[in-house]
Amino acid sequence: GAVVSQHPSRVICKSGTSVKIECRSLDFQATTMFWYRQFPKQSLMLMATSNEGSKATYEQGVEKDKFLINHASLTLSTLTVTSAHPEDSSFYICSAGEKGNYGYTFGSGTRLTVV
Amino acid sequence: GQQLNQSPQSMFIQEGEDVSMNCTSSSIFNTWLWYKQDPGEGPVLLIALYKAGELTSNGRLTAQFGITRKDSFLNISASIPSDVGIYFCAGPSNSGYALNFGKGTSLLVTP
Repeated sequence: GAVVSQHPSRVICKSGTSVKIECRSLDFQATTMFWYRQFPKQSLMLMATSNEGSKATYEQGVEKDKFLINHASLTLSTLTVTSAHPEDSSFYICSAGEKGNYGYTFGSGTRLTVV
Repeated sequence: GQQLNQSPQSMFIQEGEDVSMNCTSSSIFNTWLWYKQDPGEGPVLLIALYKAGELTSNGRLTAQFGITRKDSFLNISASIPSDVGIYFCAGPSNSGYALNFGKGTSLLVTP
């Protein structure tokens, strides 16, 4: 079945620095990937849709200059949290779809802690 | 986007008991999905439903797509300790391909 790999699984960074998170589709090509954020004891909230070869589409309230998304190939999307602050600490999860563009398979998530 | 109302918020049961949780939507869905999330992990797809009235099983799990297309339920029979986790319902967002999630049902199973 479809496998989505996410790296790193956890990262701690200093306030003001940038962090890059990778999302890879291991055994299929994904023209579309999705990035979600999950705060403790809450549900997953869609941040943005990553489109291969074009600009990402951001949900309302998500700062595109702060959360940079690059989808340079059919198997890799990256999310860069720029100038991170403690309030950016969260669980970031990507998803992709093997069939069509439906993002039903999720990565294992990245726990970001900004100190 | 569409609102998904999931209940109950949490359940605390004994091993061997059956569990039922449900999800309702403010609008019609063409797809209902049920996921399980373990602590510190991404959600794992349990069952996908694509047709109104559809009843699908996956081992001890059974899910149904409501005929009104605005609701779905998930049943777990003969629960075991490894069923512990958070269960989410999900459906397509207004943008089509991403997902809207319910708020989750936290399941605790005591031996």
